[in-house]
Amino acid sequence: GESVGLHLPTLSVQEGDNSIINCAYSNSASDYFIWYKQESGKGPQFIIDIRSNMDKRQGQRVTVLLNKTVKHLSLQIAATQPGDSAVYFCAEGTGTASKLTFGTGTRLQVTL
Amino acid sequence: DAGVIQSPRHEVTEMGQEVTLRCKPISGHNSLFWYRQTMMRGLELLIYFNNNVPIDDSGMPEDRFSAKMPNASFSTLKIQPSEPRDSAVYFCASSVFRNTEAFFGQGTRLTVV
Repeated sequence: GESVGLHLPTLSVQEGDNSIINCAYSNSASDYFIWYKQESGKGPQFIIDIRSNMDKRQGQRVTVLLNKTVKHLSLQIAATQPGDSAVYFCAEGTGTASKLTFGTGTRLQVTL
Repeated sequence: DAGVIQSPRHEVTEMGQEVTLRCKPISGHNSLFWYRQTMMRGLELLIYFNNNVPIDDSGMPEDRFSAKMPNASFSTLKIQPSEPRDSAVYFCASSVFRNTEAFFGQGTRLTVV
């Protein structure tokens, strides 16, 4: 399905290279942050989350960094693969209800 | 588990008609969310339920929109009457309360002509 706003930033990365997707968030009181991946015609898919009391968290091929001083979040994907091509959203949440506010998204294009 | 199931996948309707979107959350999940996605506004939370009770409907755009969750395995989002500006992809998501991971359905693409 349609993914994001008219001026969706696009990151083009060669297969095998590392990707870094950035996100600025707005609410300094957010308790946690999540990265979602959305492929064309599908719903967003959870990738990784990080609590506000952490500054780094690693998953399988992905790392999320949180800089609360400048309200910045990044997602690093190691050894980017064609299957990583999608739109990536950061989301912030407060409290326990999983109520999320999504960013506008970044399109990742992986070239061969 | 089949994941979150939404129906229909696509809906085309005429302005003024009633539209009902359906969602079956993942079994055992007790939080359910309805989101709308458009090119202009991105992903917006419309309403969410905990244990079948609506907790926050501040994202519902107008009185034309209503949502219900009669039981733990079913929810509906209704638009009556529909307008062309309601055209969007509507997603349902579910999660376990206090768990940050929400699972999204495939979405319903609504076109109002």
